Amino acid sequence: DAKTTQPTSMDCAEGRAANLPCNHSTISGNEYVYWYRQIHSQGPQYIIHGLKNNETNEMASLIITEDRKSSTLILPHATLRDTAVYYCIVRVAGQAGTALIFGKGTTLSVSS
Amino acid sequence: DTEVTQTPKHLVMGMTNKKSLKCEQHMGHRAMYWYKQKAKKPPELMFVYSYEKLSINESVPSRFSPECPNSSLLNLHLHALQPEDSALYLCASSKRLAGAYSTDTQYFGPGTRLTVL
Repeated sequence: DAKTTQPTSMDCAEGRAANLPCNHSTISGNEYVYWYRQIHSQGPQYIIHGLKNNETNEMASLIITEDRKSSTLILPHATLRDTAVYYCIVRVAGQAGTALIFGKGTTLSVSS
Repeated sequence: DTEVTQTPKHLVMGMTNKKSLKCEQHMGHRAMYWYKQKAKKPPELMFVYSYEKLSINESVPSRFSPECPNSSLLNLHLHALQPEDSALYLCASSKRLAGAYSTDTQYFGPGTRLTVL
């Protein structure tokens, strides 16, 4: 089972910041939080990841709470092309290594 | 270059056909993955290869047969599929098969849309 909880859907006006929350209350100390997105009928695209500290790259910012039980992905100026399903993923440790286990994700709809 | 390519983009096959999906990457990645995605559902992991050896099989039926002939290429051979196997099949790769401490990113291809009649 996925170890994260996300809202099913969110709306955002174009040009505004989109804040996507994720709950991962059972995260272990050595597990990273990853964010991917999937635009309709395309392969998932990596956005950002973090362990404890807040992270920023050219696509987004990731804010992780001090207790690491939740995080927020921020798209600072959403555009129509940011309409997608956003997946928050915690790496699951396994004997042979790990792969991404996707939860249901949040469908973000950006409108003009 | 962070590209993973998949061919064909679309495939229609009958239940008695044998077909193959192909995935290729030239990033020097040594871990490659197959995922299956049904409509309006998240991707589900099927197989993982690490250094050309099968590391993870998520209890996938034997009508799906993966193959990793070299470090750049991953195939998925299909035989005697059922209509419920119709889905988007996604390939991904990463530098190595990551552990919990690793930050290796998985890069996905665009997928093959498979329809089984």
